[in-house]
Amino acid sequence: DQQVKQNSPSLSVQEGRISILNCDYTNSMFDYFLWYKKYPAEGPTFLISISSIKDKNEDGRFTVFLNKSAKHLSLHIVPSQPGDSAVYFCAPSGDMRFGAGTRLTVKP
Amino acid sequence: DTGVSQDPRHKITKRGQNVTFRCDPISEHNRLYWYRQTLGQGPEFLTYFQNEAQLEKSRLLSDRFSAERPKGSFSTLEIQRTEQGDSAMYLCASSQAGDKNIQYFGAGTRLSVL
Repeated sequence: DQQVKQNSPSLSVQEGRISILNCDYTNSMFDYFLWYKKYPAEGPTFLISISSIKDKNEDGRFTVFLNKSAKHLSLHIVPSQPGDSAVYFCAPSGDMRFGAGTRLTVKP
Repeated sequence: DTGVSQDPRHKITKRGQNVTFRCDPISEHNRLYWYRQTLGQGPEFLTYFQNEAQLEKSRLLSDRFSAERPKGSFSTLEIQRTEQGDSAMYLCASSQAGDKNIQYFGAGTRLSVL
């Protein structure tokens, strides 16, 4: 009963370019969707959220887009920086089921 | 530091031994979660508490696993008769109900069962 799916296990981009990470979900009954970032040997940390009644939320270099009809989220990072290299997870708020994550590598 | 803390950070044990991990959540948070994470996977939900009540347990949580949160503060996760398949990172998180349920994670306890 996987609620969210992140179908790309890894993504590699050049520094300064855009990174796009994707997440598909099945259950629409959530107030917010959350993105977390995880560095090795650390726990995940909250990055950005989007309300289910909005289609975009921007915070600095990070923008989340929500396409409710397609049940699809995407996280855009622009410009990407080497420090963004991490594993990114999406999760509906109030739900304890995370996607498998996408490992982003930003090359200098 | 007022974040979520977990102890120990690393635990090496022999198969068949019991282990116990501790999590201290952010003090004002009423929800506490336990997850297990293995390489290449996202955090797998194990169980969660609201205050001292254990509200949900994953079917992944076999009867060898038990969690407690006495007095609604810190929590312990015990694994009895450990197996090699229990080797993983065990993550604890806490949240405040209503605050978008954003979870704040500890650094985890890495368990190696030999």
